[in-house]
Amino acid sequence: AQSVTQLGSHVSVSEGALVLLRCNYSSSVPPYLFWYVQYPNQGLQLLLKYTSAATLVKGINGFEAEFKKSETSFHLTKPSAHMSDAAEYFCAVSGGGGTSYGKLTFGQGTILTVHP
Amino acid sequence: GAVVSQHPSWVICKSGTSVKIECRSLDFQATTMFWYRQFPKQSLMLMATSNEGSKATYEQGVEKDKFLINHASLTLSTLTVTSAHPEDSSFYICSAKPGTGFFEAFFGQGTRLTVV
Repeated sequence: AQSVTQLGSHVSVSEGALVLLRCNYSSSVPPYLFWYVQYPNQGLQLLLKYTSAATLVKGINGFEAEFKKSETSFHLTKPSAHMSDAAEYFCAVSGGGGTSYGKLTFGQGTILTVHP
Repeated sequence: GAVVSQHPSWVICKSGTSVKIECRSLDFQATTMFWYRQFPKQSLMLMATSNEGSKATYEQGVEKDKFLINHASLTLSTLTVTSAHPEDSSFYICSAKPGTGFFEAFFGQGTRLTVV
């Protein structure tokens, strides 16, 4: 069984400040990890993914995340927030091989607010 | 590449009627498709997994007779919400995974269902 916990349902930062969205996972098999962003009334956009290669993953729009096995974490960061980053962010895990690939378990989501 | 199209984007239906949502992989063959549901201000929950040519596998608590899933071809899966009620109002989103060896599924843009 797999699970994801996103610490903090709401995060508020000032424009230009560091963005840190926390994600911890639980998985009985080596995980594949994903971060998605969802704007209001829209679908999901993939920001980045970890697939057992480099532990520091760079994604779109300046986001990156680091896979830390010892901490079972996959936190999302961005050095400087932009107003357009305001959205809801979901961390997700899949794994297990075979048909389990692509089958995602999502965290609860974190709403990011960016203040001018 | 890896484009998934979901139709319609939004639909309003009367209580007691049925509504069909289509999920198409436009530029790849999807051996597996996943259907998720997202209630307002909540995360995404997997409803079912469908493999082309076989019966869908439903997650615990999802009524298979109410949410009919058909995956008749390698590029199309449909979700039919039968005898819809207001509590079925939700955001439904599909994802499609290419054949074996792929660890990632690609999301459609989602369908907003409102039952009145």
